[in-house]
Amino acid sequence: GNSVTQMEGPVTLSEEAFLTINCTYTATGYPSLFWYVQYPGEGLQLLLKATKADDKGSNKGFEATYRKETTSFHLEKGSVQVSDSAVYFCALYAGNNRKLIWGLGTSLAVNP
Amino acid sequence: DVKVTQSSRYLVKRTGEKVFLECVQDMDHENMFWYRQDPGLGLRLIYFSYDVKMKEKGDIPEGYSVSREKKERFSLILESASTNQTSMYLCASSFPGQSNSPLHFGNGTRLTVT
Repeated sequence: GNSVTQMEGPVTLSEEAFLTINCTYTATGYPSLFWYVQYPGEGLQLLLKATKADDKGSNKGFEATYRKETTSFHLEKGSVQVSDSAVYFCALYAGNNRKLIWGLGTSLAVNP
Repeated sequence: DVKVTQSSRYLVKRTGEKVFLECVQDMDHENMFWYRQDPGLGLRLIYFSYDVKMKEKGDIPEGYSVSREKKERFSLILESASTNQTSMYLCASSFPGQSNSPLHFGNGTRLTVT
């Protein structure tokens, strides 16, 4: 079946450090891939998405490239800020049952 | 801007009580969802609805029911609350076709059952 695996947290970085959060998936067909972010005390919001292989999603300095050959969608940011402290969720939509498949989330803390 | 509003931010209920969690969205979305979020378990889908009066079970429907009498409102019902239903509950909505239509979430209801 379809599944998403993302790296366990928590991840703790200093401001301006480089961020990578790994996400790999298992899916039949050609899923769409997403990163959602949850800031403290809030619900989730879409950060970026990619709907086909080799697409790169980007937003707020974050990027992720849909790599079909490695079934991955790793989230990267070149220079994190304290305001990026949040929980990040990788998800896929395979279109066959109306449901998103979620990773377990990775908590990021950025220290000044 | 899409707004998904959950009626309560924090709720404390006793074991055995009937609990209603309300969610309203203002963007005429067809799809609505209820999730629960627990540490180490991520988001788990309880129920969803893709039209008025339609509902489908998610991954963990046991102990819950839902109601969707109007398009903008989706209610989660705990018929007889139990302590293992203590959790953060998140409501979300979207247009059909989720590959291009993101989920919009409310800020959550933290339910404690004592």
